[in-house]
Amino acid sequence: NAGVTQTPKFRVLKTGQSMTLLCAQDMNHEYMYWYRQDPGMGLRLIHYSVGEGTTAKGEVPDGYNVSRLKKQNFLLGLESAAPSQTSVYFCASSDLGGGNYNEQFFGPGTRLTVL
Amino acid sequence: RKEVEQDPGPFNVPEGATVAFNCTYSNSASQSFFWYRQDCRKEPKLLMSVYSSGNEDGRFTAQLNRASQYISLLIRDSKLSDSATYLCVLSRGGGYQKVTFGTGTKLQVIP
Repeated sequence: NAGVTQTPKFRVLKTGQSMTLLCAQDMNHEYMYWYRQDPGMGLRLIHYSVGEGTTAKGEVPDGYNVSRLKKQNFLLGLESAAPSQTSVYFCASSDLGGGNYNEQFFGPGTRLTVL
Repeated sequence: RKEVEQDPGPFNVPEGATVAFNCTYSNSASQSFFWYRQDCRKEPKLLMSVYSSGNEDGRFTAQLNRASQYISLLIRDSKLSDSATYLCVLSRGGGYQKVTFGTGTKLQVIP
């Protein structure tokens, strides 16, 4: 099993450009998440999904959109990139959450720089 | 006040030493607690859960103090391979995963 994979691993964008980050998991997990990690800020939840066809906003959703058309994939889009979106982006997945926590499995991350 | 606070370190310790980190939290509704490990430029990975009664996993011991609202991680007989950033994580449950990650404590084990 590959676990959680992310593409691309690195990307440099100019302000105003758009891009899509792809996350794929082969563990048949229901829950998927997109986080960003910035120095001194910890991991912050951007958007999450509790199942195919559903998405919801997290802590810092502005400037991002997501889609979960297939259970195994979770896409994160930046429509008009800004320098403030320079960050490391992590995708994660977990089994059904319910009222209890289930371990989140993370992808290797995407390092995005917006000039 | 931040929901989760950790000393960023770095903690520089010699091989074989014992080192302990604390993590304080402000939301008394927090239900579950965890330590994740993140190697440099890598993704976070679950190290261990933290139970009220305390729990051990080899050289690692985790404890929870609900009255004082902190969790701790003790590492005995430190190895070079323990060098990493340790993230404190708490979950508030609630139907979906309301999870908060701390900013991490960096540990550097020195030969």
